[in-house]
Amino acid sequence: QVTLRESGPALVKPTQTLTLTCTFSGFSLSTSGMCVSWIRQPPGKALEWLARIDWDDDKYYSTSLKTRLTISKDTSKNQVVLTMTNMDPVDTATYYCARIVVAGTDAFDIWGQGTMVTVSS
Amino acid sequence: EIVMTQSPATLSVSPGERATLSCRASQSVSSNLAWYQQKPGQAPRLLIYGASTRATGIPARFSGSGSGTEFTLTISSLQSEDFAVYYCQQYNNWPPKYTFGQGTKLEIK
Repeated sequence: QVTLRESGPALVKPTQTLTLTCTFSGFSLSTSGMCVSWIRQPPGKALEWLARIDWDDDKYYSTSLKTRLTISKDTSKNQVVLTMTNMDPVDTATYYCARIVVAGTDAFDIWGQGTMVTVSS
Repeated sequence: EIVMTQSPATLSVSPGERATLSCRASQSVSSNLAWYQQKPGQAPRLLIYGASTRATGIPARFSGSGSGTEFTLTISSLQSEDFAVYYCQQYNNWPPKYTFGQGTKLEIK
């Protein structure tokens, strides 16, 4: 069974750096075709893709946020970490991690339950 | 950036009836289109990928069609558990730049 779970602070202050961790099980990020992405959703709004990391350590970022994002993985711990710098109240959202299987569904087939992050002083 | 536009924003349908949701891409995405269902307080759930292939465990009353820029999600006979928000999403770019539509809320009439 594939599962993902997000963890991180519920509250950050403006200008601070947010660090989120996605801990997964049921697959390995060293297996060809496996990828993990981060997606966020402000309250009452639509989904926004942020970043993706692949089994071969290739990384891809949202054009509008790329200067603020860093994605990395620890294959031995089955974890993917996302950092977002210079947080602003508009970054208040639920942050999800999700799996992609390239040449499989190619879509976000399994999602974590999400973690709500509020940016406020 | 490819912009995804969903219509209508809200759709009111009675249980047992058919629901048809639309999604349009600002440029061709071939068949690289997925549909997700999201219920309040829950993560999205993959319904359809490749424009028309149901994901594992998705009931046959859900079907997807279309290619290029015009796509449709059809729910043939609405059950109470189907009332939710539905998002389309394209994955046609290289390098990957995924974009979602703004969602269609399917509500009980």
